[in-house]
Amino acid sequence: AQTVTQSQPEMSVQEAETVTLSCTYDTSESDYYLFWYKQPPSRQMILVIRQEAYKQQNATENRFSVNFQKAAKSFSLKISDSQLGDAAMYFCAYRENYGGATNKLIFGTGTLLAVQP
Amino acid sequence: DAGITQSPRHKVTETGTPVTLRCHQTENHRYMYWYRQDPGHGLRLIHYSYGVKDTDKGEVSDGYSVSRSKTEDFLLTLESATSSQTSVYFCAISDPRGGYTFGSGTRLTVV
Repeated sequence: AQTVTQSQPEMSVQEAETVTLSCTYDTSESDYYLFWYKQPPSRQMILVIRQEAYKQQNATENRFSVNFQKAAKSFSLKISDSQLGDAAMYFCAYRENYGGATNKLIFGTGTLLAVQP
Repeated sequence: DAGITQSPRHKVTETGTPVTLRCHQTENHRYMYWYRQDPGHGLRLIHYSYGVKDTDKGEVSDGYSVSRSKTEDFLLTLESATSSQTSVYFCAISDPRGGYTFGSGTRLTVV
């Protein structure tokens, strides 16, 4: 069965600095999606960034970028120029790319990020 | 999020009572999901649906049932609530880019 591991329960970063959140996953498949979701105190789940496994180029979205290492099954999230509004729980998630409802999202346990002013 | 709403947002109920949570979407998506979120576990799939009257179990389905009589509505029922079902419940729909769009969640407390 596929698993997603986030080994950092909590992280802290100074405002304007850079922080990297770690995620590893286990799968025997070659075609899949990886995601980072942000959950602020409002509880809303917000998609931060998405990576398709067949794409070698790392995804970027403004200050957010990933380091996708397919062979190592690693998918880290880098937040540059951290802002107070980045403080949240971050979840890494995996989904196979077969299409259909059975391709459920599998989540890691989350990393709680604090941003210090 | 736009297109998917959950109700209620908060609920306190007593042990042994039935509880129904509602998820409503306006996106006409075929696939809908119910997850629960607990500290140290992330989000875990309870049940999912791939069409009207078509549902299946996820990894933590014991004590829960679902129904989908219309495309837009997906109901989650706790048949006899227990304290272990105190959690935050999220409904989700698949989006065209492969991820999910989530509702705003329901915080359920069983006392």
